[in-house]
Amino acid sequence: AAGVIQSPRHLIKEKRETATLKCYPIPRHDTVYWYQQGPGQDPQFLISFYEKMQSDKGSIPDRFSAQQFSDYHSELNMSSLELGDSALYFCASSGRLAGGSYEQYFGPGTRLTVT
Amino acid sequence: GIQVEQSPPDLILQEGANSTLRCNFSDSVNNLQWFHQNPWGQLINLFYIPSGTKQNGRLSATTVATERYSLLYISSSQTTDSGVYFCAVERTNSNSGYALNFGKGTSLLVTP
Repeated sequence: AAGVIQSPRHLIKEKRETATLKCYPIPRHDTVYWYQQGPGQDPQFLISFYEKMQSDKGSIPDRFSAQQFSDYHSELNMSSLELGDSALYFCASSGRLAGGSYEQYFGPGTRLTVT
Repeated sequence: GIQVEQSPPDLILQEGANSTLRCNFSDSVNNLQWFHQNPWGQLINLFYIPSGTKQNGRLSATTVATERYSLLYISSSQTTDSGVYFCAVERTNSNSGYALNFGKGTSLLVTP
Protein backbone atom coordinates (compact mmCIF):
# COMPACT_ATOMS: atom_id res chain seq x y z
CA ALA A 1 0.00 0.00 0.00
CA ALA A 2 1.14 3.52 -0.72
CA GLY A 3 2.56 5.43 2.21
CA VAL A 4 3.36 9.04 3.00
CA ILE A 5 6.47 10.19 1.15
CA GLN A 6 8.82 12.84 2.47
CA SER A 7 11.83 14.42 0.87
CA PRO A 8 14.62 14.90 1.45
CA ARG A 9 15.27 12.29 4.12
CA HIS A 10 18.29 14.15 5.46
CA LEU A 11 19.21 17.81 5.20
CA ILE A 12 22.13 19.77 6.55
CA LYS A 13 21.95 23.57 6.60
CA GLU A 14 23.86 26.39 8.19
CA LYS A 15 22.44 28.98 10.54
CA ARG A 16 20.39 31.69 8.86
CA GLU A 17 19.85 29.57 5.72
CA THR A 18 16.45 28.44 4.43
CA ALA A 19 15.10 24.93 3.97
CA THR A 20 12.11 23.42 2.20
CA LEU A 21 10.67 20.06 3.15
CA LYS A 22 8.21 18.21 0.94
CA CYS A 23 5.42 15.79 1.75
CA TYR A 24 3.29 13.63 -0.53
CA PRO A 25 0.25 12.25 1.33
CA ILE A 26 -1.37 8.89 0.80
CA PRO A 27 -3.59 9.05 -2.34
CA ARG A 28 -7.13 10.23 -1.61
CA HIS A 29 -6.18 11.53 1.85
CA ASP A 30 -7.45 15.08 2.25
CA THR A 31 -5.67 16.26 5.41
CA VAL A 32 -1.94 16.81 5.90
CA TYR A 33 -0.19 17.47 9.20
CA TRP A 34 3.35 18.58 10.06
CA TYR A 35 5.09 17.64 13.32
CA GLN A 36 8.49 18.49 14.77
CA GLN A 37 10.39 16.12 17.05
CA GLY A 38 13.44 17.46 18.86
CA PRO A 39 16.11 15.10 20.26
CA GLY A 40 14.68 13.01 23.07
CA GLN A 41 11.29 14.72 22.77
CA ASP A 42 7.83 13.69 21.66
CA PRO A 43 6.49 14.98 18.33
CA GLN A 44 4.91 18.42 18.49
CA PHE A 45 2.20 19.56 16.10
CA LEU A 46 3.10 22.47 13.82
CA ILE A 47 0.34 22.96 11.26
CA SER A 48 -2.29 21.14 9.22
CA PHE A 49 -4.14 21.55 5.94
CA TYR A 50 -7.48 20.30 4.70
CA GLU A 51 -8.27 20.58 1.01
CA LYS A 52 -5.41 23.05 0.49
CA MET A 53 -6.57 25.38 3.25
CA GLN A 54 -4.85 25.75 6.61
CA SER A 55 -7.06 23.98 9.12
CA ASP A 56 -5.17 24.16 12.42
CA LYS A 57 -2.03 25.69 13.81
CA GLY A 58 0.17 24.58 16.66
CA SER A 59 3.52 25.78 17.92
CA ILE A 60 4.91 26.80 14.56
CA PRO A 61 7.48 29.63 14.63
CA ASP A 62 6.78 32.72 12.53
CA ARG A 63 9.93 31.88 10.55
CA PHE A 64 8.17 28.79 9.25
CA SER A 65 5.40 28.67 6.67
CA ALA A 66 3.62 25.89 4.86
CA GLN A 67 1.14 25.31 2.11
CA GLN A 68 -0.70 22.53 0.34
CA PHE A 69 -0.80 22.46 -3.43
CA SER A 70 -3.47 21.45 -5.95
CA ASP A 71 -2.00 17.92 -6.19
CA TYR A 72 -2.29 17.70 -2.35
CA HIS A 73 1.43 17.62 -1.70
CA SER A 74 2.59 19.99 1.00
CA GLU A 75 5.76 21.96 1.62
CA LEU A 76 7.17 23.31 4.88
CA ASN A 77 9.39 26.34 4.37
CA MET A 78 11.81 27.32 7.12
CA SER A 79 13.80 30.54 7.03
CA SER A 80 16.54 32.07 9.19
CA LEU A 81 17.35 28.63 10.52
CA GLU A 82 18.57 28.36 14.10
CA LEU A 83 20.50 25.60 15.84
CA GLY A 84 17.33 24.76 17.79
CA ASP A 85 15.53 23.90 14.56
CA SER A 86 17.59 20.73 14.31
CA ALA A 87 14.98 18.02 14.59
CA LEU A 88 13.08 15.25 12.88
CA TYR A 89 10.18 16.64 10.87
CA PHE A 90 7.25 14.35 10.19
CA CYS A 91 4.42 14.71 7.76
CA ALA A 92 1.24 12.72 8.33
CA SER A 93 -1.98 12.35 6.38
CA SER A 94 -5.51 11.17 7.05
CA GLY A 95 -8.69 10.75 5.06
CA ARG A 96 -11.10 11.57 7.87
CA LEU A 97 -12.93 14.44 6.31
CA ALA A 98 -13.52 12.44 3.14
CA GLY A 99 -15.43 9.86 5.14
CA GLY A 100 -12.36 7.87 6.04
CA SER A 101 -10.86 6.91 9.38
CA TYR A 102 -9.47 9.40 11.88
CA GLU A 103 -6.20 7.48 11.82
CA GLN A 104 -3.09 9.43 10.90
CA TYR A 105 -0.31 7.81 8.91
CA PHE A 106 3.20 9.16 9.29
CA GLY A 107 5.95 9.49 6.75
CA PRO A 108 9.55 8.44 7.44
CA GLY A 109 10.54 11.96 8.44
CA THR A 110 13.16 14.46 7.35
CA ARG A 111 16.12 14.80 9.66
CA LEU A 112 17.25 18.43 9.61
CA THR A 113 20.61 19.37 11.07
CA VAL A 114 21.49 23.03 11.43
CA THR A 115 25.18 23.79 11.94
CA GLY B 1 -5.90 20.89 25.55
CA ILE B 2 -5.79 17.22 26.35
CA GLN B 3 -3.04 16.03 28.72
CA VAL B 4 -1.50 12.66 27.93
CA GLU B 5 0.52 10.76 30.51
CA GLN B 6 2.38 7.54 29.81
CA SER B 7 3.87 5.07 32.24
CA PRO B 8 6.37 3.75 32.90
CA PRO B 9 8.81 6.20 31.29
CA ASP B 10 11.46 3.49 30.95
CA LEU B 11 11.30 -0.28 30.87
CA ILE B 12 13.93 -3.00 30.53
CA LEU B 13 12.78 -6.53 29.73
CA GLN B 14 14.45 -9.80 29.05
CA GLU B 15 13.52 -11.42 25.77
CA GLY B 16 10.36 -13.48 26.15
CA ALA B 17 8.85 -11.39 28.94
CA ASN B 18 5.46 -9.69 28.79
CA SER B 19 4.71 -6.04 29.57
CA THR B 20 1.90 -3.53 29.86
CA LEU B 21 2.23 0.13 28.95
CA ARG B 22 -0.33 2.63 30.13
CA CYS B 23 -1.67 5.88 28.70
CA ASN B 24 -3.94 8.21 30.71
CA PHE B 25 -5.67 11.14 29.08
CA SER B 26 -7.53 14.03 30.61
CA ASP B 27 -10.60 14.36 28.39
CA SER B 28 -12.78 12.48 25.95
CA VAL B 29 -11.09 11.67 22.65
CA ASN B 30 -12.11 11.04 19.07
CA ASN B 31 -8.80 9.49 18.14
CA LEU B 32 -6.22 7.52 20.10
CA GLN B 33 -3.24 5.91 18.43
CA TRP B 34 -0.26 3.87 19.62
CA PHE B 35 3.05 4.18 17.79
CA HIS B 36 6.40 2.45 17.96
CA GLN B 37 9.38 4.63 17.14
CA ASN B 38 12.26 2.43 16.15
CA PRO B 39 15.95 3.30 16.67
CA TRP B 40 16.05 4.78 13.16
CA GLY B 41 13.35 7.28 14.05
CA GLN B 42 10.47 5.83 12.06
CA LEU B 43 7.02 6.16 13.65
CA ILE B 44 5.16 2.95 13.04
CA ASN B 45 1.39 2.79 13.50
CA LEU B 46 0.48 0.04 15.94
CA PHE B 47 -3.16 0.68 16.74
CA TYR B 48 -5.91 3.15 16.05
CA ILE B 49 -8.08 2.52 19.10
CA PRO B 50 -10.34 5.30 20.44
CA SER B 51 -12.28 2.58 22.26
CA GLY B 52 -12.44 -1.19 22.60
CA THR B 53 -9.83 -3.90 22.17
CA LYS B 54 -7.67 -4.88 19.22
CA GLN B 55 -4.99 -7.48 18.69
CA ASN B 56 -2.21 -7.76 16.15
CA GLY B 57 0.11 -10.70 16.64
CA ARG B 58 1.98 -10.37 19.93
CA LEU B 59 0.57 -6.90 20.52
CA SER B 60 -2.84 -5.96 21.77
CA ALA B 61 -4.43 -2.75 23.02
CA THR B 62 -7.44 -1.78 25.06
CA THR B 63 -8.96 1.66 25.48
CA VAL B 64 -11.55 2.35 28.17
CA ALA B 65 -12.80 5.70 26.96
CA THR B 66 -15.16 6.28 29.91
CA GLU B 67 -12.24 5.93 32.33
CA ARG B 68 -9.79 7.77 30.08
CA TYR B 69 -7.01 5.27 29.74
CA SER B 70 -5.50 2.92 27.23
CA LEU B 71 -3.21 -0.07 27.67
CA LEU B 72 -0.74 -1.61 25.25
CA TYR B 73 0.24 -5.22 25.89
CA ILE B 74 3.41 -6.73 24.51
CA SER B 75 3.74 -10.48 24.90
CA SER B 76 6.80 -12.67 24.35
CA SER B 77 8.94 -9.59 23.76
CA GLN B 78 11.74 -9.65 21.20
CA THR B 79 14.82 -7.46 20.84
CA THR B 80 13.21 -5.87 17.78
CA ASP B 81 10.48 -4.51 20.08
CA SER B 82 13.02 -2.08 21.54
CA GLY B 83 12.35 1.60 20.97
CA VAL B 84 9.95 4.24 22.19
CA TYR B 85 6.21 3.64 22.39
CA PHE B 86 4.03 6.71 22.06
CA CYS B 87 0.39 7.17 22.83
CA ALA B 88 -1.23 10.09 20.99
CA VAL B 89 -4.71 11.53 21.21
CA GLU B 90 -6.62 13.99 19.13
CA ARG B 91 -6.13 17.56 20.19
CA THR B 92 -9.19 19.38 21.45
CA ASN B 93 -10.37 22.98 21.04
CA SER B 94 -9.86 23.07 17.30
CA ASN B 95 -12.67 23.35 14.79
CA SER B 96 -10.81 21.24 12.27
CA GLY B 97 -7.42 19.69 11.68
CA TYR B 98 -7.56 17.30 14.65
CA ALA B 99 -3.83 17.19 15.31
CA LEU B 100 -2.45 14.56 17.65
CA ASN B 101 -1.14 15.38 21.10
CA PHE B 102 1.61 12.92 22.08
CA GLY B 103 2.58 11.59 25.47
CA LYS B 104 6.24 11.59 26.51
CA GLY B 105 6.57 7.94 25.55
CA THR B 106 7.79 4.74 27.17
CA SER B 107 11.35 3.81 26.26
CA LEU B 108 11.60 0.02 26.03
CA LEU B 109 14.81 -2.00 25.89
CA VAL B 110 14.55 -5.73 25.36
CA THR B 111 17.74 -7.61 26.15
CA PRO B 112 18.72 -11.03 24.77
